[in-house]
Amino acid sequence: DAGVIQSPRHEVTEMGQEVTLRCKPISGHDYLFWYRQTMMRGLELLIYFNNNVPIDDSGMPEDRFSAKMPNASFSTLKIQPSEPRDSAVYFCASSYTWGPSGYTFGSGTRLTVV
Amino acid sequence: EDQVTQSPEALRLQEGESSSLNCSYTVSGLRGLFWYRQDPGKGPEFLFTLYSAGEEKEKERLKATLTKKESFLHITAPKPEDSATYLCAVQRWAGGTSYGKLTFGQGTILTVHP
Repeated sequence: DAGVIQSPRHEVTEMGQEVTLRCKPISGHDYLFWYRQTMMRGLELLIYFNNNVPIDDSGMPEDRFSAKMPNASFSTLKIQPSEPRDSAVYFCASSYTWGPSGYTFGSGTRLTVV
Repeated sequence: EDQVTQSPEALRLQEGESSSLNCSYTVSGLRGLFWYRQDPGKGPEFLFTLYSAGEEKEKERLKATLTKKESFLHITAPKPEDSATYLCAVQRWAGGTSYGKLTFGQGTILTVHP
């Protein structure tokens, strides 16, 4: 398996623009997580899905953020409109059940909003 | 609220100089304590899961131990390739195979000089 695949690896956009981040989880994993990592706040859970259904989106900072998982092999995180304070590294991770063998993280998308 | 505190924030070692990283935690019902390694520009990579006090796990030069209040990651005779950020996380208990809230620490940046 190629692991969790995220795209793009880097994204630079202007304030106010829409940004879409993409994730392909590991086949067979039933949980998918979106995290954001910054120096100040570390790793923060934004939202997670179980069997393609959003379970907890309490970590989503504002209504500008939305996430979807239309099928077991694809998820998106959208920010509209983007703001400079959204600049961070966004990680997607997946796991089998609650993750006793740990989560498998993607390589992340580094987002810069100017 | 669950809390994870890692110390020190940064650690510099000479190659071959053994040391330990600390992870202190408070959680409402521990399901598992995880250790991850994160290299620059990459997502966290799973190392260990510990479930109960007294448990130990080893992988190459790394050994993780767990008590009721903290976990240690012992590094024996480190090499420069062990340089990375080491993250600790605790997962709260949830029923069956359900996901329980995962809380990450801020990490310890380890640098091993040749």
